[in-house]
Amino acid sequence: EADIYQTPRYLVIGTGKKITLECSQTMGHDKMYWYQQDPGMELHLIHYSYGVNSTEKGDLSSESTVSRIRTEHFPLTLESARPSHTSQYLCASSEYQGAKQYFGPGTRLTVT
Amino acid sequence: AQTVTQSQPEMSVQEAETVTLSCTYDTSESNYYLFWYKQPPSRQMILVIRQEAYKQQNATENRFSVNFQKAAKSFSLKISDSQLGDTAMYFCAFSYNQGGKLIFGQGTELSVKP
Repeated sequence: EADIYQTPRYLVIGTGKKITLECSQTMGHDKMYWYQQDPGMELHLIHYSYGVNSTEKGDLSSESTVSRIRTEHFPLTLESARPSHTSQYLCASSEYQGAKQYFGPGTRLTVT
Repeated sequence: AQTVTQSQPEMSVQEAETVTLSCTYDTSESNYYLFWYKQPPSRQMILVIRQEAYKQQNATENRFSVNFQKAAKSFSLKISDSQLGDTAMYFCAFSYNQGGKLIFGQGTELSVKP
């Protein structure tokens, strides 16, 4: 149903590597979000964006950074991955405040 | 601060029966939105139902309905005629006027048994 994509779906990487998780949506939504979810646990917001060139940190402190140069694209970058970054990362978008959020399939990251 | 609490970590129900999942929230906001999302095993998170706080009428979507009690800050989800495909983790979530970001509860893992 949702036209929101995340790559890669699974990633195993060594400590200290730089990684970028990709998120794209084709719905033209201004609002985009990154959530972090440990297995069987709730989601926590780590970054969000109201539109191009707008990014804000979420409620959960994260060492990752994001950018929003194009409406459809909202990548998340970890400059130096650590085992504590092992988690699932979910990207979402919505048309307006309070609207349904569409979620991507997630990226399951393991840092060894 | 806004919080969402789901007090039932796991529930199970027989196929074709009815089950109710509980959710309470805490906020001082007057205008907000409430959601139930479903996350099937290894599959994408999808919206089940959405409620606008200023609407008194409870939202319904086919077999899914909510009991929204604004004064009690309660937002339970009722699933009627449960189907095997309803097996999933269900998250209650809250959103208000700060960017539309969602605050999630801890989740309830629902198993529908044949």
